[in-house]
Amino acid sequence: GAVVSQHPSWVICKSGTSVKIECRSLDFQATTMFWYRQFPKQSLMLMATSNEGSKATYEQGVEKDKFLINHASLTLSTLTVTSAHPEDSSFYICSARNRDIYEQYFGPGTRLTVT
Amino acid sequence: GEDVEQSLFLSVREGDSSVINCTYTDSSSTYLYWYKQEPGAGLQLLTYIFSNMDMKQDQRLTVLLNKKDKHLSLRIADTQTGDSAIYFCAEIPSNDYKLSFGAGTTVTVRA
Repeated sequence: GAVVSQHPSWVICKSGTSVKIECRSLDFQATTMFWYRQFPKQSLMLMATSNEGSKATYEQGVEKDKFLINHASLTLSTLTVTSAHPEDSSFYICSARNRDIYEQYFGPGTRLTVT
Repeated sequence: GEDVEQSLFLSVREGDSSVINCTYTDSSSTYLYWYKQEPGAGLQLLTYIFSNMDMKQDQRLTVLLNKKDKHLSLRIADTQTGDSAIYFCAEIPSNDYKLSFGAGTTVTVRA
């Protein structure tokens, strides 16, 4: 299957700082990328959908000013957690979908800890 | 989510077959998926089935789809310790393009 990478794989930051997470599709062009958040022992919660070259669509209850998403190219999307707080600590996973709508591939996840 | 339901736990002996079950509510779903998540990792797409198919087999994996009952199952033959993971069932509803996940089934393989 296709490969999606995330960077960093884990990050620790202090409250009030901002953290950027990158998601890259390595061997295909991702017209759409998704950002999820996963709490321990729970399923994935979709945060937002981003299409290359356009603004992200956020799910209900997700603050767009806090979770900034940029999808500047067909292989890269970034999620920036602004003014991070301890409650933002979580596992963030991205996924990418190519033009064939039925195949969606996930990155390895980024563990964010805010102290 | 609420539209896709799975049992939460499954324990199986090494070498036996595992069967993970899933029910969904949208009868018009086009694609149904099985993903595997190992601890601390992302999701790995195991297999998917188009709604006009009844069965799909790929090596040790067999997917069965019963559209009438809106029931999807994943059978893993000759289960190995490396199969211990959380397995997520997911669908793409007919009126949407986003994956809708079940809560995940934790499969534990015992020696």
